[in-house]
Parts: sequence; C-alpha cells; structure tokens
Amino acid sequence: AQSVSQHNHHVILSEAASLELGCNYSYGGTVNLFWYVQYPGQHLQLLLKYFSGDPLVKGIKGFEAEFIKSKFSFNLRKPSVQWSDTAEYFCAVKVSGGYNKLIFGAGTRLAVHP
Amino acid sequence: DTEVTQTPKHLVMGMTNKKSLKCEQHMGHRAMYWYKQKAKKPPELMFVYSYEKLSINESVPSRFSPECPNSSLLNLHLHALQPEDSALYLCASSQDRQSYNEQFFGPGTRLTVL
Repeated sequence: AQSVSQHNHHVILSEAASLELGCNYSYGGTVNLFWYVQYPGQHLQLLLKYFSGDPLVKGIKGFEAEFIKSKFSFNLRKPSVQWSDTAEYFCAVKVSGGYNKLIFGAGTRLAVHP
Repeated sequence: DTEVTQTPKHLVMGMTNKKSLKCEQHMGHRAMYWYKQKAKKPPELMFVYSYEKLSINESVPSRFSPECPNSSLLNLHLHALQPEDSALYLCASSQDRQSYNEQFFGPGTRLTVL
C-alpha cells in the first residue's frame, strides 16, 4: 500500500529563515504529488502539485518543491518565511491513473516567530 | 466560484441521535469526497462519489451513510455514532475522478459525539 512520510512533525522558525519540509512516499509506480496547507481555522488549500515534466514546481506564496524520483521525495521549500506562513503542511500522494484517492502524510506544524 | 461549503460548522450529538452533514459545490464538479480528520492527524478518505454514484467506500462503518442527491450536493447521514467518531469531517470535490484533477476542500464540520 502507498504511504507518505513527513519527517518533521513540528518546526519552529524565525521570520526570514529558510524552510525545507521533507516528504517521502512509498510506491513503485507513477504518482501525482501535492502539498496542501491548512492555516489555523481554515480549510485545506493546495500549495502546489507535480504531475509530470520539470521536477521543480513553483506554487503559491513563494513556495516550491522538488520531485526527486530516485529518492521518492517531494520536499517543500521557501527561501524566507513569514509569520503568516504559520500553518500545518500536508504532503499527499495520488497513484497516477488511480481513482483520485489522496493519501496524506501526518503533517508538519510550522510556527514562525516574528 | 471555487468554493466548497459545508454545514453545520459545528455539531454536537448524542450516541442515539440521527444527524446529517451537508456539502455543496457549484463548480460543476462530478466527483465528491468525504474525509475524516482526527485531531493532529491527516485527513483519511471515507467515500468517493462519481457522477452521483458511490464508487469508493473505504470500509467505513454503516453508522455513516453517504448520499448524493444531485451533482452539487453531498450528504453524510449519521446514526448511533460513538465518541471515537468525534472528528473534523471534510468534504472535497474535483472535476471528475481522474487522478490528475485537483481536489477542492471545504472548511469542514467539527463533530463531537457525547
């Protein structure tokens, strides 16, 4: 069965620090990859997605992620975080050609201090 | 309109009650989903509807009964729930069931079972 691992459960950063959140998945076939964000009290929003092509994907709010197929990884990055980035971040996987079932990682809770 | 709405926002019910959760979207999407999210856990898929027909039931207990009366509406009927069913119930929709389609999430209904 497919699974998603997020390495950091809690991350605390100061504003302007760089961010990298790890995500690894287990599945030998073709996958579609996503990062969702859940701001406090708000609904899940899509940050970015990878289906094919350039493995470096740019999303909203200055986020980007890199798909490294050989490492089964899809790490999320942002060069300089802001207080407003405080949220929970979920990596998710879908089996390409499957029935659109999203499998989420456990999530990373990011706190950015001013 | 890229919004998925859910009502009610909060629901408290006893174990003998019958209640329903409602989800609505007006994006013309033909696939709709129910997820369950326990505190500090990722969302987990419960049901998938495609073109108003139930296509996936992820082994959900029968005390949860989904219904899709039309292409814009998705209900989740609740009966004889247990306290461990307390969670955030998320609805999502996508253009169709294909894996490359983004899922849009609603804000959720926070359910407490006493």
